[in-house]
Amino acid sequence: EVQVVESGGGLVQPGGSLRLSCAASGFTFSNYIMSWVRQAPGKGLEWLSYISYSGSTTYYAESVKGRFIISRDNAESSLSLQLDNLRDDDTAVYYCVRVFIYNPASGVKGAFDFWGQGTTVIVSS
Amino acid sequence: DIQMTQSPSSLSASVGDGLTITCRASENINIYLNWYQVKPGKAPKLLIYGASTLQSGVPSRFSGSGSARDFTLTISSLQPDDFATYYCQQSYNTPYTFGQGTNLEIK
Repeated sequence: EVQVVESGGGLVQPGGSLRLSCAASGFTFSNYIMSWVRQAPGKGLEWLSYISYSGSTTYYAESVKGRFIISRDNAESSLSLQLDNLRDDDTAVYYCVRVFIYNPASGVKGAFDFWGQGTTVIVSS
Repeated sequence: DIQMTQSPSSLSASVGDGLTITCRASENINIYLNWYQVKPGKAPKLLIYGASTLQSGVPSRFSGSGSARDFTLTISSLQPDDFATYYCQQSYNTPYTFGQGTNLEIK
């Protein structure tokens, strides 16, 4: 059974840092691009970042570029998101997501086919 | 960035009703459009990918159509488990953007 389980959320002051982790199981982790998506309270879904199969390529939304860093450890089947210089509007549930590429000939065009339950980050003084 | 606009933002319906949610992209995204179902406290669920392909395990009462800029999600006969929030999402270009969501409530 495919599972992705996030951890590492919590309460942090503005300007602080957190490291989110995601443990994956039930599939060959290195065969999938992985991503992070968040949902702020009362708001919609927001894609944040993705990382390539080997970890050599990463992309970020402008809202987190320069503050968040995505990484992966294929040997451990784990995904991480380092959150630095946190702001109040980073308060959200953060989801670890597997990316299913349904058209490999057209690059990274796919869908988020498995999601974790999410981990909650609260940025507040 | 590609903007995704869903309509309606919310709607009320009864078990057994059929309904359609629309999603419009700010530019041509071919068929790179996905639909998700989100319920409070649960992991979001992929329903449709590539505009019209039903994800494995998703009931056949869900269907998707469209291409280029205009897309629809149709639920043919609402079941109690279907009351949730639905999001479209484009995967044509980064940043991958979502619609604002459609909240489906029980009438």
